[in-house]
Amino acid sequence: AQTVTQSQPEMSVQEAETVTLSCTYDTSESDYYLFWYKQPPSRQMILVIRQEAYKQQNATENRFSVNFQKAAKSFSLKISDSQLGDAAMYFCAYPSRGDGTASKLTFGTGTRLQVTL
Amino acid sequence: GAGVSQSPSNKVTEKGKDVELRCDPISGHTALYWYRQRLGQGLEFLIYFQGNSAPDKSGLPSDRFSAERTGESVSTLTIQRTQQEDSAVYLCASSPQATGELFFGEGSRLTVL
Repeated sequence: AQTVTQSQPEMSVQEAETVTLSCTYDTSESDYYLFWYKQPPSRQMILVIRQEAYKQQNATENRFSVNFQKAAKSFSLKISDSQLGDAAMYFCAYPSRGDGTASKLTFGTGTRLQVTL
Repeated sequence: GAGVSQSPSNKVTEKGKDVELRCDPISGHTALYWYRQRLGQGLEFLIYFQGNSAPDKSGLPSDRFSAERTGESVSTLTIQRTQQEDSAVYLCASSPQATGELFFGEGSRLTVL
């Protein structure tokens, strides 16, 4: 069974600083996607960034980037120049194949990020 | 609308009553998912639809839970004889086929007294 592990229940970062959130996963597949989702207090989940496993280059979206290490099955999220609006729960997610034509996402337990002045 | 719409946004019910939660996915999205999120917890998969069939309903916690979907449109999640442990936010998401990227609604918060 595929699992996703986030070992940091809570993290704190000062405004304008950089923080890295950790995620590891377990899979026997060779081609897949990985996702980071953000859930602010309003509770709607928003996609932050995704990585395709066959691409060696780490994905980047503005201040958000990933450090993807396929052999180690590690997928960490780096937030640069942190802003107050980045405060939220962050979930790492991996698609578990269902019937082979579509997939469901298995989520980690989340990391609560606090941003301080 | 442009996004996934869920109703009601909040529901308070008495133990033993039945509730129905509704999800209207993004137009054209063939896959639809229901997740449960208890307070301060992660997301727990309940069921997934491809069109109006449910290839994976392995996450439904008991036979009190059921879901149906009409074509590639609205889905309803029904909880019969609600229990206090059913209190949670129920999140619906839809997805274009096979990408794995989910688009979430704002959820329905269920409180069972």
